Amino acid sequence: EAGVAQSPRYKIIEKRQSVAFWCNPISGHATLYWYQQILGQGPKLLIQFQNNGVVDDSQLPKDRFSAERLKGVDSTLKIQPAKLEDSAVYLCASSLYRERGYGYTFGSGTRLTVV
Amino acid sequence: ELKVEQNPLFLSMQEGKNYTIYCNYSTTSDRLYWYRQDPGKSLESLFVLLSNGAVKQEGRLMASLDTKARLSTLHITAAVHDLSATYFCAVDIDYGGSQGNLIFGKGTKLSVKP
Repeated sequence: EAGVAQSPRYKIIEKRQSVAFWCNPISGHATLYWYQQILGQGPKLLIQFQNNGVVDDSQLPKDRFSAERLKGVDSTLKIQPAKLEDSAVYLCASSLYRERGYGYTFGSGTRLTVV
Repeated sequence: ELKVEQNPLFLSMQEGKNYTIYCNYSTTSDRLYWYRQDPGKSLESLFVLLSNGAVKQEGRLMASLDTKARLSTLHITAAVHDLSATYFCAVDIDYGGSQGNLIFGKGTKLSVKP
């Protein structure tokens, strides 16, 4: 079974520029998550999708971050404009059925450096 | 505010020794996950604990869950260098029937030395 695919793996941008990350979840996984992991901390949820609808985006800085999930499959996360404090690893995860305890599968992440 | 607290945050062990990492959380949940993260890598699922009293073991690692105490432990037996990594516990929050999501602790950075 293919895992969660993310691209790019690394990105360096200047502050105030924009950037986009892409995620392709495991086939058939209805739920998709974007997490932000700042160096030395645990991942923090940014947004959760169920199919192509948003379940929770309460921790997404909506003035600069946006996300969409096209046709309930792939997802993109965008930052515009970026700030220095956005430097982090952005992890995408997907899950099948929570009730069955399948758990969450994480992608390799995109490491963003804002200079 | 939901809190997931791990301790210790840093752990330096000698090979062959035993130790336990603790994970306390502040809300009701019957699902807890343990992940391993190597430097520059993503999260690798170690254990999924789905009920009170659940105990799972894989190699030198054993995880348990006490939902009444809101406590999970990750016990390391006879540590070896290959176990050096950062270990995260994560609590699965229930949205009341729909999909939950994970709230992570800060992680425990484990270093096993000869």
